[in-house]
Amino acid sequence: AQSVTQLDSQVPVFEEAPVELRCNYSSSVSVYLFWYVQYPNQGLQLLLKYLSGSTLVKGINGFEAEFNKSQTSFHLRKPSVHISDTAEYFCAVSDGYTGKLIFGQGTTLQVKP
Amino acid sequence: DADVTQTPRNRITKTGKRIMLECSQTKGHDRMYWYRQDPGLGLRLIYYSFDVKDINKGEISDGYSVSRQAQAKFSLSLESAIPNQTALYFCATTSGGLPETQYFGPGTRLLVL
Repeated sequence: AQSVTQLDSQVPVFEEAPVELRCNYSSSVSVYLFWYVQYPNQGLQLLLKYLSGSTLVKGINGFEAEFNKSQTSFHLRKPSVHISDTAEYFCAVSDGYTGKLIFGQGTTLQVKP
Repeated sequence: DADVTQTPRNRITKTGKRIMLECSQTKGHDRMYWYRQDPGLGLRLIYYSFDVKDINKGEISDGYSVSRQAQAKFSLSLESAIPNQTALYFCATTSGGLPETQYFGPGTRLLVL
């Protein structure tokens, strides 16, 4: 069975500071990992995804994530955040067959001026 | 125009009522999904469909039913609504194959009194 754990429910950070949102996964099959962002009152939007190949994945809005198989982690990072990055972030894993996503609990990133 | 639309966007209903949430997509995708979002729980899969004749239960299908009226339309019904079905409901679609990006609708906020 697959599962995802996001280690922080809320992450407050000041504008222009770096941020890391942590995600650990469990899977007995091939791993396909995603980060989605949900802005207030909106649906989810893909930030980035890891399917195979390079373990460092770059996404939109300056975000990147690193797949670490030995640590079973897929942490999301940004070197300098903006107020507009305030949102909820979801890590998810897919089984690669049904396409269905197993989501973590979500991390609320609050960027303060 | 949005690729994935959901109606209604907000709904208040009473315990025991039957309601239907509708989803339409213009991306031409075969696969469609219904998720519900609860605070602190992330998103959980209710039902998914690979095409009009292929519908599958997700992890929390009890109390829900679905109908795939056409490739572009996928409806979720609550046969007899109960208060713990109060949640934010999302429809999503993907093209299939290797885990591809899921495209989410804007969500329907449902309150069951």
